[in-house]
Amino acid sequence: AQSVTQLDSQVPVFEEAPVELRCNYSSSVSVYLFWYVQYPNQGLQLLLKYLSGSTLVKGINGFEAEFNKSQTSFHLRKPSVHISDTAEYFCAALYSSASKIIFGSGTRLSIRP
Amino acid sequence: EAQVTQNPRYLITVTGKKLTVTCSQNMNHEYMSWYRQDPGLGLRQIYYSMNVEVTDKGDVPEGYKVSRKEKRNFPLILESPSPNQTSLYFCASSPKGGPVGATEAFFGQGTRLTVV
Repeated sequence: AQSVTQLDSQVPVFEEAPVELRCNYSSSVSVYLFWYVQYPNQGLQLLLKYLSGSTLVKGINGFEAEFNKSQTSFHLRKPSVHISDTAEYFCAALYSSASKIIFGSGTRLSIRP
Repeated sequence: EAQVTQNPRYLITVTGKKLTVTCSQNMNHEYMSWYRQDPGLGLRQIYYSMNVEVTDKGDVPEGYKVSRKEKRNFPLILESPSPNQTSLYFCASSPKGGPVGATEAFFGQGTRLTVV
């Protein structure tokens, strides 16, 4: 079955520290990958997406993610976080054999001053 | 401004009282869907629509209905709400469903529903 796994439900980090949010997807010949961010009391907003081409994808707010086919991963990274990055982050996948986006369970990023 | 608009944002209702959550998009998108978000479960798809008059069940359709009479609107109907439908609901739209021209989904602000 197609699935997206975010192993970390919460990630606490200090301000200006680097962060990595992990995402693994079930293997597929053709998959498109996304990271969404949900700020408190808001809807989801697209951070970045991987459709094809370069495996390193840059998104908004200084975030980037790397598509790793051999490890079926799409981890999200930021070299230096800010308080404003406090939010919940969702990894998602769109498989060529499906007609819907599958979401992970989310990772809550909390930034300590 | 391109957006997906849901109403209401907050709703408290009693068990069994029919309710409708509206969703409207102004981007001429073909594909629309409804999700519910519950702690630790992420977003689960309730229903989706590939185009006008074309709807299909998602992962958790029980207790919900939808309709797609116009391209821009995709209301979610709870005929007889129960407490286990207390959740945060999101409507989303995208230009196409499936892999062709794969694009991201645009989300509404969410509707927090409490059924008592």
